This record gives sequence, structure tokens and C-alpha cells, in this order.
Amino acid sequence: GAGVSQSPSNKVTEKGKDVELRCDPISGHTALYWYRQRLGQGLEFLIYFQGNSAPDKSGLPSDRFSAERTGESVSTLTIQRTQQEDSAVYLCASMRLAGSYEQYFGPGTRLTVT
Amino acid sequence: AQSVTQLGSHVSVSEGALVLLRCNYSSSVPPYLFWYVQYPNQGLQLLLKYTSAATLVKGINGFEAEFKKSETSFHLTKPSAHMSDAAEYFCAVREGDSSYKLIFGSGTRLLVRP
Repeated sequence: GAGVSQSPSNKVTEKGKDVELRCDPISGHTALYWYRQRLGQGLEFLIYFQGNSAPDKSGLPSDRFSAERTGESVSTLTIQRTQQEDSAVYLCASMRLAGSYEQYFGPGTRLTVT
Repeated sequence: AQSVTQLGSHVSVSEGALVLLRCNYSSSVPPYLFWYVQYPNQGLQLLLKYTSAATLVKGINGFEAEFKKSETSFHLTKPSAHMSDAAEYFCAVREGDSSYKLIFGSGTRLLVRP
């Protein structure tokens, strides 16, 4: 079946603007993660959704970052009043809470704040 | 809390030579460890994982890794490098809580010389 998809693939925005990034997980995957990958660095956990449970927001770097997920489907990550340090690749992953518990990653959205 | 250290941000080998990418972890619980590969402009792909079964884990593309508890290491190896192995490699440990989120190392870029 289809993998995790993300849109847009690239986003260039001006400092101070709001941006919204989208993630479509694999069908049937109840767990969804957002990670951030800054240039030359590893991935940093941002937020985790599992079904209808309260999300784990412990990785969000500031209150300018927020995310939503409707049921077990699409998720959006919103960054308000973007700053240059927000420039990074934002990766989404989904996982089925059974079997191998493997996270499947999307191709990412490359965000550039000018 | 779990953490991962990858020694060497860049590793360069000749085609046909041994590949050795180092990963050390810190974990307060028996660890679940992963190696991911990231090709340019793509998402992460799982190479292999350790889940407390065999200590020598075989993955895709001829890669394998050995879990050594006494050394808190999970180094990735491949006997003979191929040009197509050039990519970024990330070691990760699963967080010990119910979120299953991954804690990543900073990555190692593998360069393969002809």
C-alpha cells in the first residue's frame, strides 16, 4: 500500500509568516510522530499522537509550534511567526501498535525561512 | 533518559572495503536499537533493529550490527562497500515510555570512493 506522504515537499516562507505542514500516515497506523531535522543533525522528536489519547507534546520547542490530528488520519504541524532557526526538514512517521512496532517515515518537508 | 552517540560525522571508505559506523547508547532500560539510512532528499529507511533477541542482527543491503551490552554499543558493519551505500546513517534508541518515540544520534555520512 501507499507509504507516509507529506506536503508540501518544499516550503519557503518569510520570517514572521505562519506555515502549515501536512502528513498523511499509512492507513491503519494509529501512532503518528513529527520529528525535526536541522542541517547536519539528527532527528529531534516534536510530538506524538496515539488514537484519541492526549498527544505527547514534550518535544515542541516553543508555543509557536502546534499540531493536530483528526482521529487516526491526517496530521498538520503549524508553526506560527516563523523564525530563521525554524529552517529544517520536518519528518512525519507512522506506526502500528502491534507486530514489529516499526516507524515508517515520510519524505519530509524542507522548510526554509528567509 | 535514553541517548545515542555516533562517533564520526563523516566516514570515507573505498569501494569494496569494510564499512564500520559506530554507535554507543545510554539507556536505563533494556534498549531497542535501530539503524536507519537516509538517501539524499528521501525519508528514513529502516536498515535493521535490535529487540533483545539475537545480539547479531542482519539487515537489508548486506548490513549487520552487533549489540554489545558490556560496551553499550551497536556498531553497524558491512564487509564490502558499494557505491550505492553512500548515504547518511542514523542510529536510534527507543524511548522507554509508552510513546515508543525514537532518540536519534547526529548521523554519520558515508562516502564511498571508487
